[in-house]
Amino acid sequence: QVQLVQSGAEVKKPGASVKVSCKASGYTFTRYDINWVRQAPGQGLEWMGWMSPNTGKTVYAQKFQGRVTMTRDTSITTVHMELSSLRSDDTAVYYCARGSYYFDSWGQGALVTVSS
Amino acid sequence: QSVLTQPPSASGTPGQRVTISCSGSSSDIGTYPVNWYQQLPGTAPNLLIYSNNQRPSGVSDRFSGSKSGTSASLAISGLQSEDEADYYCATRNDSLNTWVFGGGTKLTVL
Repeated sequence: QVQLVQSGAEVKKPGASVKVSCKASGYTFTRYDINWVRQAPGQGLEWMGWMSPNTGKTVYAQKFQGRVTMTRDTSITTVHMELSSLRSDDTAVYYCARGSYYFDSWGQGALVTVSS
Repeated sequence: QSVLTQPPSASGTPGQRVTISCSGSSSDIGTYPVNWYQQLPGTAPNLLIYSNNQRPSGVSDRFSGSKSGTSASLAISGLQSEDEADYYCATRNDSLNTWVFGGGTKLTVL
């Protein structure tokens, strides 16, 4: 079955960077885009960007351009999302989600806490 | 503030039918299909409806979706206690070149 398994929770200081991983299994890794969506505590969902594991192409939401980098390692069917210059309002659960026209499989989420 | 507008809350009693609205613009709902996600407490979102009115395998036929112009709706019939969750609409937005979500609707089963 399709599974997206994310790395664990992180605690970071303001100004630092965080890298969250998303390991895919149960399907052909290069056939589906991977998106990143975050959810601040008690808030709604916010799309951050997507990556094509096939070509490596990325598209980032304007809000995160310059701070976010998405990469992939096809040998281990894993996509990474790195967010830099962290601020307290980046505290959120970060999800990876598969799909181009809809998100049909989601990771379990990774809580990133930014605190001094 | 979300690009797509949803009511923050909705409620109903077991067995009732409830609808959740999602309002957008010509740049998003007016152009692209709408998807709906259900998020049970403490869990990741789950695809509920895609392409306006299609149900993924395994989703109950009590859930249905529709779209007209720049608005979309999710209907839940035969309401059950396990339907208590947050519901989000989502689609693409041409002007922003992003995926956009509604602010979410918290459904309470009384």
